[in-house]
Amino acid sequence: QKEVEQDPGPLSVPEGAIVSLNCTYSNSAFQYFMWYRQYSRKGPELLMYTYSSGNKEDGRFTAQVDKSSKYISLFIRDSQPSDSATYLCAPRGSNYQLIWGAGTKLIIKP
Amino acid sequence: ETGVTQTPRHLVMGMTNKKSLKCEQHLGHNAMYWYKQSAKKPLELMFVYNFKEQTENNSVPSRFSPECPNSSHLFLHLHTLQPEDSALYLCASSQRGDSSYEQYFGPGTRLTVT
Repeated sequence: QKEVEQDPGPLSVPEGAIVSLNCTYSNSAFQYFMWYRQYSRKGPELLMYTYSSGNKEDGRFTAQVDKSSKYISLFIRDSQPSDSATYLCAPRGSNYQLIWGAGTKLIIKP
Repeated sequence: ETGVTQTPRHLVMGMTNKKSLKCEQHLGHNAMYWYKQSAKKPLELMFVYNFKEQTENNSVPSRFSPECPNSSHLFLHLHTLQPEDSALYLCASSQRGDSSYEQYFGPGTRLTVT
């Protein structure tokens, strides 16, 4: 079983839709959960992170962690074509290194 | 230059060639990383340097040889690669390798092995 599972997509939605991106993980010891965004021909960049369970909101983006079900979500409200990118979830392991999902490619259609 | 830069951006090499990838960070960080990114696969951490000392080597074949002369520069020396080594090689840096959660990435080097 992979430590972090993420559907590679692509996920294609119309502009303005609410997007839900998800990951599952296997290690209950993870405490920090990162979301990185990677545009085409660029390296990943940190979008936001959460600590333990709960929600964190930043503008149109909301990160949610449910540690009881080992489920991580990223919601994007009022999606824009500029949100088209690959989104990678990355919990932080006990040795402080990031454990990466495969990334979900998101396409927002104008 | 700002952030993390990588050269070259694209590289095509034969299986018998020797080449090097270069990474430079302008952020004053103390940790640098090499990752391999293949299509639809998770990023694979290859090497970590913390204050110029190698602290992680995730069972990477010896045909990949890292070098970190100082905290700002990182190299990946390549020799006798295999076609399955074709991928995007990403360099990243962070404040420290043992506690930071935010890593800053370069744009990557797209490597094709023929």
